[in-house]
Parts: sequence; C-alpha cells; structure tokens
Amino acid sequence: DAKTTQPNSMESNEEEPVHLPCNHSTISGTDYIHWYRQLPSQGPEYVIHGLTSNVNNRMASLAIAEDRKSSTLILHRATLRDAAVYYCIPSKANSKLTFGKGITLSVRP
Amino acid sequence: DADVTQTPRNRITKTGKRIMLECSQTKGHDRMYWYRQDPGLGLRLIYYSFDVKDINKGEISDGYSVSRQAQAKFSLSLESAIPNQTALYFCATSASTTLNIQYFGAGTRLSVL
Repeated sequence: DAKTTQPNSMESNEEEPVHLPCNHSTISGTDYIHWYRQLPSQGPEYVIHGLTSNVNNRMASLAIAEDRKSSTLILHRATLRDAAVYYCIPSKANSKLTFGKGITLSVRP
Repeated sequence: DADVTQTPRNRITKTGKRIMLECSQTKGHDRMYWYRQDPGLGLRLIYYSFDVKDINKGEISDGYSVSRQAQAKFSLSLESAIPNQTALYFCATSASTTLNIQYFGAGTRLSVL
C-alpha cells in the first residue's frame, strides 16, 4: 500500500474554503485515491475518490496533481458540521483500505 | 433504520471473558469488514470477508475470530478478552465493485477491565 503523509490538524473559519493536502509519493499507477471522513462519535463515511482527473461531487472536490504524488480535498464552504478527521487513502481496485491517522479539521464559527 | 447495524453499542466486560460483537447490514453487499480504532489512531483492519465462504485476516487478527453467518451478518469474537482490546470497533460493508466504497456502522465501544 502507498504511504500517505497528512498534516496532523488544520483550522478553518466557517463559510470559507478549506484545502486539505495529502502526499502519496509511492502511489502506483493503478491506485485510486479515496477520501473518507469521520465525524465525532461516528464511523467513517466516504467523501470522494479519483484516479487521474479532478473530481467534484456534492460534498467536496478532489484535485489530483499531474504526477499523482499528491492530492487536495477541497471543501468549498466549510460548515461546523465539516469538523472531522479526514483520511486520504490510496487503494488498488477491489482492494481493502488502509486508514492512517488522518488530518483533524476544526472549523471556527 | 441504519444500513449497517452494530450491537451492542457499548460493552464492559472482564478479562478472560468471551465476547461477541455483531454486525448486520441491509445493503445487500457481499463484502464485510471489522476494524478497531484506538484513541488518536486510524482504523486497523482485523478481519474481512469478500463473500460468505471467504474469511481473511487483516493486520491485527491475533486474539480475534470471526463468523460470517450469512451475507448480511458478520460477527467478531474475542475468545478471552484482555485489557488491551479495549477500543472502538467498527463494522463496514462494501459492494463487490472496483471502487470498494465502504459503509460503516456506528461502532461498538468495548472496555475490558
């Protein structure tokens, strides 16, 4: 499995955009990049995934570097409900996921 | 009702006791997983099952066993609980697709005294 490096924590203000970085320099060419988040006292939930191109969905956007060695999860307008631990997980197709420590996002009102 | 249901939600037990954590799902998924989470750490995979007849060890299977009773049910057992198995346990499911997107239960908080 590709190793990931994420900052331990990040702070944001409510209603401002948030960019959560992840380095995965050992990613293989066939690994998808998944992002999950874990709200307080809950199980993780899927956020978004990508392979090579940038992706958007109703929750977030995912920007993938051209060399795929890093990616950034973008929350366009942070809300208090977005305070969570965010996990970046490179994973091969049909393979199990390996969760690291993730990045803890705090959102200030 | 939740798609992935874990029971019990909280459990306190004593060292040496046998305990079973249960997971059931209504998503119709073939794949099921058990993870544990310790404070400040990410989730670590204990066991996983890609279909009813398939059981695989994860990275920390020692001291645990599992049973896949049906497509919808996957149980985790601690044969003889010890204090360092005190943790938050999560069950997850996924469809048999390339992306393997996982859906998690709410967790079981287990304390072993």
